[in-house]
Amino acid sequence: EPEVTQTPSHQVTQMGQEVILRCVPISNHLYFYWYRQILGQKVEFLVSFYNNEISEKSEIFDDQFSVERPDGSNFTLKIRSTKLEDSAMYFCASSEGSGGANEQFFGPGTRLTVL
Amino acid sequence: KNQVEQSPQSLIILEGKNCTLQCNYTVSPFSNLRWYKQDTGRGPVSLTIMTFSENTKSNGRYTATLDADTKQSSLHITASQLSDSASYICVVSRRAGNMLTFGGGTRLMVKP
Repeated sequence: EPEVTQTPSHQVTQMGQEVILRCVPISNHLYFYWYRQILGQKVEFLVSFYNNEISEKSEIFDDQFSVERPDGSNFTLKIRSTKLEDSAMYFCASSEGSGGANEQFFGPGTRLTVL
Repeated sequence: KNQVEQSPQSLIILEGKNCTLQCNYTVSPFSNLRWYKQDTGRGPVSLTIMTFSENTKSNGRYTATLDADTKQSSLHITASQLSDSASYICVVSRRAGNMLTFGGGTRLMVKP
C-alpha cells in the first residue's frame, strides 16, 4: 500500500541553524501539507501546498518557514533559523483532492530537537 | 474560534471491554469530522470520515457517530484489544480550504 515517507526520522540541530525536513508524498496525490506536534500538545496545521504554490497557511508559518517541491517526488519544509520552540514532531501529509472528504495520509514524522 | 475538545483526556480499560470517546467542536462552516488513531511517535492514521449528512460510520470494531446539530461526535470501540492502546484524535475540517483542526486526543490504554 502506498505511503507517505519522511526523512530523517530524527534531526538534532543547534539554535540558529537551518534545517530541511523531507517528505515523499503518495505518488498520485496533488495536495501536500505540513503539521507539527509539540510534545504533549495538539497537532497543528502549518501549511498546505498545491500546484507549486502555498494554498493556505497558519499563523505559525511565519517568514522563518518555507516549503518547496524541488522535483517530482519530494516536498520539503525549511526552517531558516531554528529556535528552541521549534522542537517538535513534524508530520507531512498528502491527499488526492481538496477539501470535502478527501483523506489526508500522514507520514511517520520527523522529530526535530533544537539545542 | 475554531476548536475541537475531547474527553476524557485518558482512559484505562481491560482487554475485551468496550469504551466510548467524546468530541465537541466549534469549527464552522463544518465540512467533515474524522477520527484518527495515533500510536506514540507515529503519524495519525484515519479510522473514519463523516460528512454533515452522516450520523454513523463503522470501521471494524470502531463506530463513530456524529450529531451536527449539537456539534458532537463519539467513537465507540468494541471488544478492545491490547493493540488499541493509542491516542484517538478527533479532527474537523471546514468547508473552505484544507486545514484540519485537531483535538487534544484521548490516550487509551488497554490492559490485559
